[in-house]
Amino acid sequence: AQSVTQPDIHITVSEGASLELRCNYSYGATPYLFWYVQSPGQGLQLLLKYFSGDTLVQGIKGFEAEFKRSQSSFNLRKPSVHWSDAAEYFCAVGPFDTNAGKSTFGDGTTLTVKP
Amino acid sequence: DTGVSQNPRHKITKRGQNVTFRCDPISEHNRLYWYRQTLGQGPEFLTYFQNEAQLEKSRLLSDRFSAERPKGSFSTLEIQRTEQGDSAMYLCASSFRQGNLDTQYFGPGTRLTVL
Repeated sequence: AQSVTQPDIHITVSEGASLELRCNYSYGATPYLFWYVQSPGQGLQLLLKYFSGDTLVQGIKGFEAEFKRSQSSFNLRKPSVHWSDAAEYFCAVGPFDTNAGKSTFGDGTTLTVKP
Repeated sequence: DTGVSQNPRHKITKRGQNVTFRCDPISEHNRLYWYRQTLGQGPEFLTYFQNEAQLEKSRLLSDRFSAERPKGSFSTLEIQRTEQGDSAMYLCASSFRQGNLDTQYFGPGTRLTVL
């Protein structure tokens, strides 16, 4: 069974500081990995995704993520955080192949940005 | 492309009542998913459709829940005899499967409160 762990429930960073959000996954085959962001009371917005190729993927809003197969990790990074980045961030793993299209999500990391 | 839309955005109901939510996917997307999200948790998969066929249902989807996607376009999720434990955000997502890849785009969600 696939699973996703986001070890940090809550992270606080100062505006302008760098950010790294951790994600570890468990999946028995080739993973299809995502990061989503959710503002309060809103749906999820796709930041970036990884399937294959370059292990460093670029997303929207200046975010990037690095896939490390040996560590089963897909950490999200941003070099300089803006106050508008305060939100909840979800890592998800989806299946490659099969007809089972569902994604499995972590429980999220809440990001607070200090002025 | 107007994105995934969901109606209503908020629903307050009394325990025991029936409720129905609607999801309109992105045009041409052949897959549609329903997830449930409770406070402090990531989205949990409920069910999904490929065109009009319901291909998978989670065991979270008790017999009080039913979902339909007539004609492979919009979908409805009905909850009968609501319970307080049904209070959650119900998220809809759609995707167009290309080969083995499936990227889900989420709607804003319907927040259900059962009194």
